[in-house]
Amino acid sequence: GAGVSQTPSNKVTEKGKYVELRCDPISGHTALYWYRQSLGQGPEFLIYFQGTGAADDSGLPNDRFFAVRPEGSVSTLKIQRTERGDSAVYLCASSFEGHTGELFFGEGSRLTVL
Amino acid sequence: GENVEQHPSTLSVQEGDSAVIKCTYSDSASNYFPWYKQELGKRPQLIIDIRSNVGEKKDQRIAVTLNKTAKHFSLHITETQPEDSAVYFCAASKSGGSYIPTFGRGTSLIVHP
Repeated sequence: GAGVSQTPSNKVTEKGKYVELRCDPISGHTALYWYRQSLGQGPEFLIYFQGTGAADDSGLPNDRFFAVRPEGSVSTLKIQRTERGDSAVYLCASSFEGHTGELFFGEGSRLTVL
Repeated sequence: GENVEQHPSTLSVQEGDSAVIKCTYSDSASNYFPWYKQELGKRPQLIIDIRSNVGEKKDQRIAVTLNKTAKHFSLHITETQPEDSAVYFCAASKSGGSYIPTFGRGTSLIVHP
């Protein structure tokens, strides 16, 4: 596709469950970002990939959060033992090389933890 | 790390009026300042950006100004239209190494017809 694709668009889960959110970036974009957006807030940085490696994971809130990008394209954000406070829209973005340029965002995955 | 403050949180104007949104940043090394527009339920999209080597940039009804000394930058929208209604986010980042934009909390702009 032409844009960043995220699945699922909506995910409702119970407290304590495991969740995976998928991001398919624009073809050729080497940089990939995960952000979290709570209602009424700006996007909050979680993790940044340059190629296959996590160049910066300083935004991950705790060790329940983990993300991978094994082949340098699709990325999966994994959340273990979900808590109600994890409820938010998880945004993925990609860019070319990741050097001061436009970020192209996906539509987001809305996670609701009951 | 970088901290970006954005004001106001909500801005209500009449169609045809101008709108100004202001942001400040903390890291003097930041040199790239994009603005994103997010319509309700949609993805954020870049509308304009400015780099630290210029003080102002215009694109039709939209302009951004940057004051590096004061570490603040502003978005100006002239002749507002109802379709300008959205949430606007400013961001700051620096080149070199990992480029990770830090976003402000957003401004909800409402343009009344």
